[in-house]
Amino acid sequence: EVQLVESGGGLVKPGGSLRLSCAASGFTFSSYSMTWVRQAPGKGLEWVSTISVTSIYIYYADSVKGRFTISRDNAKNSLYLQMNSLRGEDTALYYCAKDIDPSGTTGAFDIWGQGTVVTVSS
Amino acid sequence: QSALTQPRSVSGSPGQSVTISCTGTSGDVGGYDYVSWYQQPPGKAPKLIIYNVSQRPSGVPHRFSGSKSGKTASLTISGLQAEDEADYYCCSYAGSYTVIFGGGTKVTVL
Repeated sequence: EVQLVESGGGLVKPGGSLRLSCAASGFTFSSYSMTWVRQAPGKGLEWVSTISVTSIYIYYADSVKGRFTISRDNAKNSLYLQMNSLRGEDTALYYCAKDIDPSGTTGAFDIWGQGTVVTVSS
Repeated sequence: QSALTQPRSVSGSPGQSVTISCTGTSGDVGGYDYVSWYQQPPGKAPKLIIYNVSQRPSGVPHRFSGSKSGKTASLTISGLQAEDEADYYCCSYAGSYTVIFGGGTKVTVL
């Protein structure tokens, strides 16, 4: 079964750090770009970051640039998001997602995890 | 990186058709044929229903269709069913491995 499972979320104080993980199974992880998308409570979807298959191309939303770092370990079929200097506005459900196209990224994410909740509060 | 513009809500009776618009710029919707649409029922993860403007993934009913004209993409749900009640998001590639979502549209089946 094709699956993505996120973990690592939790409650953290403003200025703190968290590392999210996403475990992939059921497909050739090393052949697809991977993306983190978040959704604040009661709000819409927000693209956070994308990493290419070999990690050569990495891009971030302006809202997280300089604070978040995306990475992947193709040998472990895993995607990560290191989040530093967390703010209240980073409170959200964080999803990892797989692009449908193995040639790059198109914004068409055919597989999503169930998400992990990050709450930033004192 | 402003969100793509979608109506906040649309509604229709069972069997009717509804269309959701998604307006962007020449740097996203207008510049690439990489518009996708997602359906998100309450409390669930998004599901891809349209990609590359008008393609349907396997298993998505034919009543969902997509199109694009200039900087505006559209999702049409024909023959609306009760199970189609959900939030719908458009998404566009915006160059250099970046992506932008719309603000979301709540579809209500009357």
